[in-house]
Amino acid sequence: QKEVEQNSGPLSVPEGAIASLNCTYSDRVSQSFFWYRQYSGKSPELIMSIYSNGDKEDGRFTAQLNKASQYVSLLIRDSQPSDSATYLCAVNSPNISSGSARQLTFGSGTQLTVLP
Amino acid sequence: GAVVSQHPSRVICKSGTSVKIECRSLDFQATTMFWYRQFPKQSLMLMATSNEGSKATYEQGVEKDKFLINHASLTLSTLTVTSAHPEDSSFYICSASPGWSNQPQHFGDGTRLSIL
Repeated sequence: QKEVEQNSGPLSVPEGAIASLNCTYSDRVSQSFFWYRQYSGKSPELIMSIYSNGDKEDGRFTAQLNKASQYVSLLIRDSQPSDSATYLCAVNSPNISSGSARQLTFGSGTQLTVLP
Repeated sequence: GAVVSQHPSRVICKSGTSVKIECRSLDFQATTMFWYRQFPKQSLMLMATSNEGSKATYEQGVEKDKFLINHASLTLSTLTVTSAHPEDSSFYICSASPGWSNQPQHFGDGTRLSIL
């Protein structure tokens, strides 16, 4: 059973703080890792992709990957109330393939609330 | 790039009606698309994988005769909920990926289905 685990939260941070979201995965051969943001009543939106160990920064977002520990995280700097959403961690593993596109395994999501 | 369009965004209909939902990749070809369902406050649940030119692959517990999937072209997949009942009321979301292996999936805006 391929699993992706996240703390469901809710996680509350004050405006301007750093929000830290964590995710662990069970399949050691996983190759691709994604963070999606889902606002209430909306579909998920891709915000970060990471494929190799280390940090990847995009604006206020930093994704961190540690394959040895099977751990991926998302940091949101200078958090804003508009960042309040559920954040989904998704993992793409080579052993789960459906045609040309590999199936993603999603975590259950972490609900983030940024307090003004 | 990588835009996925889903239509309609909302459907309200009587019990026993069949409802068709369309998912289009607007600026790329997608040999594989995915259909998810999400109930309020719950995680995304993969229903089926839609493969262009062949039969869809359904997840365990999803009735293939209830949820008909057709993927007749490289840019269009449809999900038909046949003889819908109130318990089928949910948020249905499709996703697609532009290419092979490690590409992220991009989601449509979702269809909120309400069966009276």
